[in-house]
Amino acid sequence: EVQLLESGGGSVQPGGSLRLSCAASGLTFSTYAMSWVRQAPGKGLEWVSAIGGSGSGGGTYYADSVKGRFTISRDNSKNTLYLQMNSLRAEDTAVYYCAKDLGALAHNNNDYWGQGTLVTVSS
Amino acid sequence: QSALTQPASVSGSPGQSITISCTGTSSDVGGYNYVSWYQQHPGKAPKLMIYDVSNRPPGVSNRFSASKSGNTASLTISGLQAEDEADYYCSSYTRSSTYVFGTGTKVTVL
Repeated sequence: EVQLLESGGGSVQPGGSLRLSCAASGLTFSTYAMSWVRQAPGKGLEWVSAIGGSGSGGGTYYADSVKGRFTISRDNSKNTLYLQMNSLRAEDTAVYYCAKDLGALAHNNNDYWGQGTLVTVSS
Repeated sequence: QSALTQPASVSGSPGQSITISCTGTSSDVGGYNYVSWYQQHPGKAPKLMIYDVSNRPPGVSNRFSASKSGNTASLTISGLQAEDEADYYCSSYTRSSTYVFGTGTKVTVL
């Protein structure tokens, strides 16, 4: 059974940094594209970032709202996805989900999701 | 990138069919066959219902179907059931090599 478990969320002041992790099990992790999607309290879904799986070149992609501040990466030896978040703003406050794509290419066809980790940016 | 436009709410009685629209532009929905649909129950993670415009992942009921015409994608739920009451989001690839979600639609089963 595929499981995704996020960690690293918490409260941080504006301008601060956090690193989210997503530990994957029950799958050949390296094969699949992975994404981060967030949801502000009471709001809709927002795509944040994605990274391709092996065979796709492992390209990285970012929403304009986080480009230059967030960095997505993966350690296939540890079956773990990361999101380094710098220069955090109040508008980054959200539940952050990691998600697995159907294939190696990042098509935002996410068939498995973690339970989410809450990031709160406030002074 | 602006969110795709969905109706805020759609409702129907059990057994009826409802359709949720998702309107974008030629730079997203109209330009690519990478439209997906997600169902989200309160407090839960989203669930993939449709990918690549009209494909159902394994385990998703065939009561869910989808299509696209021009810049508008549509999700139809047939034989509406109480368990279908949830929020639904569309998503599309964009010309900027990013993805955008829709504004979300709350489905109510009367």
